[in-house]
Amino acid sequence: DAKTTQPPSMDCAEGRAANLPCNHSTISGNEYVYWYRQIHSQGPQYIIHGLKNNETNEMASLIITEDRKSSTLILPHATLRDTAVYYCIVRVLRGGADGLTFGKGTHLIIQP
Amino acid sequence: GAVVSQHPSWVICKSGTSVKIECRSLDFQATTMFWYRQFPKQSLMLMATSNEGSKATYEQGVEKDKFLINHASLTLSTLTVTSAHPEDSSFYICSASRQINYNEQFFGPGTRLTVL
Repeated sequence: DAKTTQPPSMDCAEGRAANLPCNHSTISGNEYVYWYRQIHSQGPQYIIHGLKNNETNEMASLIITEDRKSSTLILPHATLRDTAVYYCIVRVLRGGADGLTFGKGTHLIIQP
Repeated sequence: GAVVSQHPSWVICKSGTSVKIECRSLDFQATTMFWYRQFPKQSLMLMATSNEGSKATYEQGVEKDKFLINHASLTLSTLTVTSAHPEDSSFYICSASRQINYNEQFFGPGTRLTVL
């Protein structure tokens, strides 16, 4: 699976949009971009994933650049409960299931 | 839907004893379950992949005789830390993939193991 690069930490004001970047310049054509987050002392939570089109669900939006070398996770109206470590993971969708390779992620801190 | 539970949520044990951690998929059948370990201020590291009815596949550097994994049913996998030592103290997290949709992994809440 391709490597990803994320800033180690970010701050965002409560109520504002949080934009979390991820670089994955070596991504291959069959690799998807996944985002998970981990609130302190809890298991990770799936947020969203995409291949090349922008995606939106009830939690967030995922914007993938046209060359697919980077992406941005957007939390439209951040709340204090969104404070967590956010992981960007690039992986191939296989017929079976593979374990995830977590990088260091971005520690997002939502400020009141 | 897609809830994964772990039991216990935390455990403290003496060095040399064995500890069993359970991972259950509560509302779906999980063909594959995964076990991760997370040390303080570090990221999750995959330990092993567990398929129902077959032997687990361990990641490089993980001792299969020390970390015994059993996936006896489509809703239950167990991790037993044998002869635990203080360096085994960690946050152990399981995840499960649904049979229908392999896209998502659903994670349990984790088990905090402290070995004295």
